Amino acid sequence: GAGVSQSPRYKVAKRGQDVALRCDPISGHVSLFWYQQALGQGPEFLTYFQNEAQLDKSGLPSDRFFAERPEGSVSTLKIQRTQQEDSAVYLCASSLHRAGDSYNEQFFGPGTRLTVL
Amino acid sequence: GNSVTQMEGPVTLSEEAFLTINCTYTATGYPSLFWYVQYPGEGLQLLLKATKADDKGSNKGFEATYRKETTSFHLEKGSVQVSDSAVYFCALSPTYNTNAGKSTFGDGTTLTVKP
Repeated sequence: GAGVSQSPRYKVAKRGQDVALRCDPISGHVSLFWYQQALGQGPEFLTYFQNEAQLDKSGLPSDRFFAERPEGSVSTLKIQRTQQEDSAVYLCASSLHRAGDSYNEQFFGPGTRLTVL
Repeated sequence: GNSVTQMEGPVTLSEEAFLTINCTYTATGYPSLFWYVQYPGEGLQLLLKATKADDKGSNKGFEATYRKETTSFHLEKGSVQVSDSAVYFCALSPTYNTNAGKSTFGDGTTLTVKP
């Protein structure tokens, strides 16, 4: 497939469980972004990778959130000890160039809808 | 920090009506500006973009002009169609600074076009 894919598409977790959300970016894309989107709101930045380097993680809401991109392609967002307020859609996006390039366009995946009971 | 404020919805129009969705921003430096669209059941996709002041982005009949003096990037279309029904997000991305990866999105405006 040519687009960004995410799995699972839907995840239901009990409060306190750990979850792992996967993102497969477009092949060759340098930059990868994670966003959290609450119902009725726009995406909120979580973290940004340039290749395998996590250059900005200032949007991660707590130390329960952790992201990695060890080989500069697939990325995983992990949430430990999930809480009800973590319920949201988690979006992944990738772009061909480094962030900050004025021609940079982000391509979004379909998202993972996380529901914490 | 940076912020994006866009017109609250929902917006309901009849087919062939004129559309304006307002978007204003606050940011340091010279960000790039974007409109993304999310059709029902689909992911966000780029609609148009502008990278510097006075640039006009356009696509599928939609236009938006980067106005630095008013810090605005309003989305317009002269004649909407039922197929334009979607949620529209205004966004900015910093350029060439330490926060370059940190895009900021508005809360989205839901547009419904009735035949």
